[in-house]
Amino acid sequence: SQELEQSPQSLIVQEGKNLTINCTSSKTLYGLYWYKQKYGEGLIFLMMLQKGGEEKSHEKITAKLDEKKQQSSLHITASQPSHAGIYLCGADVDNNAGNMLTFGGGTRLMVKP
Amino acid sequence: GAVVSQHPSRVICKSGTSVKIECRSLDFQATTMFWYRQFPKQSLMLMATSNEGSKATYEQGVEKDKFLINHASLTLSTLTVTSAHPEDSSFYICSARRLGGPGTDTQYFGPGTRLTVL
Repeated sequence: SQELEQSPQSLIVQEGKNLTINCTSSKTLYGLYWYKQKYGEGLIFLMMLQKGGEEKSHEKITAKLDEKKQQSSLHITASQPSHAGIYLCGADVDNNAGNMLTFGGGTRLMVKP
Repeated sequence: GAVVSQHPSRVICKSGTSVKIECRSLDFQATTMFWYRQFPKQSLMLMATSNEGSKATYEQGVEKDKFLINHASLTLSTLTVTSAHPEDSSFYICSARRLGGPGTDTQYFGPGTRLTVL
């Protein structure tokens, strides 16, 4: 089975600092999704990466997928309190039952003003 | 760790029929459960937020009369797809929010239900 490991599990940063969250897979990733969860709310889709070396940005958040397609990183530049929440990476699992998703354990981010 | 189950895991139905999907938190109480759907190679899309004992909150564009959500207990939420049509075929996932101590708030995901409408 495909496992996704996220690191760190939790992160506290000072407002304005940059940070990186990593998502590592034991198998090749064929569709890697990054989500954000605000406390008490549902997941918010951030970005999807499919190609090795692909990089996407949305406002101050950049996500990359490495060439081997086994690791993705999410980078936030000049963090703000609004970035606080839980960040989840998810990946497609192709199996006989059709597409399914597996998730990393999540990274809890707190941004101190 | 906390476990969330979904039943059924797969269902095939005829167009026009209704299908009920159950989401259960097996070893914790979930005051809030979320329902998502995913199309192939696309991201999860939040459909609705279900709070125990109250009406679900639906995301924009989701028909509440078509996707009926009931959260009758702290461990069970159901999603009923009424008068299903082929365009409703999708992968439906629920998650349950577990409240821990101060500063904790974790969602646990069910394994998903694949609905195919013929």
